[in-house]
Amino acid sequence: DAKTTQPNSMESNEEEPVHLPCNHSTISGTDYIHWYRQLPSQGPEYVIHGLTSNVNNRMASLAIAEDRKSSTLILHRATLRDAAVYYCILHDMRFGAGTRLTVKP
Amino acid sequence: DVKVTQSSRYLVKRTGEKVFLECVQDMDHENMFWYRQDPGLGLRLIYFSYDVKMKEKGDIPEGYSVSREKKERFSLILESASTNQTSMYLCASSRGQVGETQYFGPGTRLLVL
Repeated sequence: DAKTTQPNSMESNEEEPVHLPCNHSTISGTDYIHWYRQLPSQGPEYVIHGLTSNVNNRMASLAIAEDRKSSTLILHRATLRDAAVYYCILHDMRFGAGTRLTVKP
Repeated sequence: DVKVTQSSRYLVKRTGEKVFLECVQDMDHENMFWYRQDPGLGLRLIYFSYDVKMKEKGDIPEGYSVSREKKERFSLILESASTNQTSMYLCASSRGQVGETQYFGPGTRLLVL
């Protein structure tokens, strides 16, 4: 099964952009890349997904490498409410430990 | 908006008890999932279901069973609870096949004494 790799933790300052990386070197050609986040004491929530092209929505942007072996979730201006664990997953919906994002005021 | 509800936010049970965790979704989703979440291990898939009366084992099914008698309801059963089943349990649902966006419930934090 395809597997994703993310850093365990990252820090950001409030109102600065954040780039959260994910490696998925064994991704298949039809695999969508999904990003979820989990706020404290809540279940994960959908953030964004994409296949080949970069994607934007009201929450974030997703930049997908040309070879699709990596992707980056971009939060354009981090707020304190963006502090969460961010998960990058593929079609098998296997969640790893994700990246814990800390946002400093 | 999709709503996934779980019967309890917190539950305390004794070793050996039979435990039922209920999950209901209101969007007519075909797929439903049960995960457990432990510190440092992320979410691990226990069981999932693609249709009524259908179930598939996930990565850690041992000690659990599931029931899906109606499309909107997916139950996780701990036949004889043990202390190593103390965890956060998360239910999710999605449309269609694997790969569709999942919608999660708030979770049930289970403590087995």
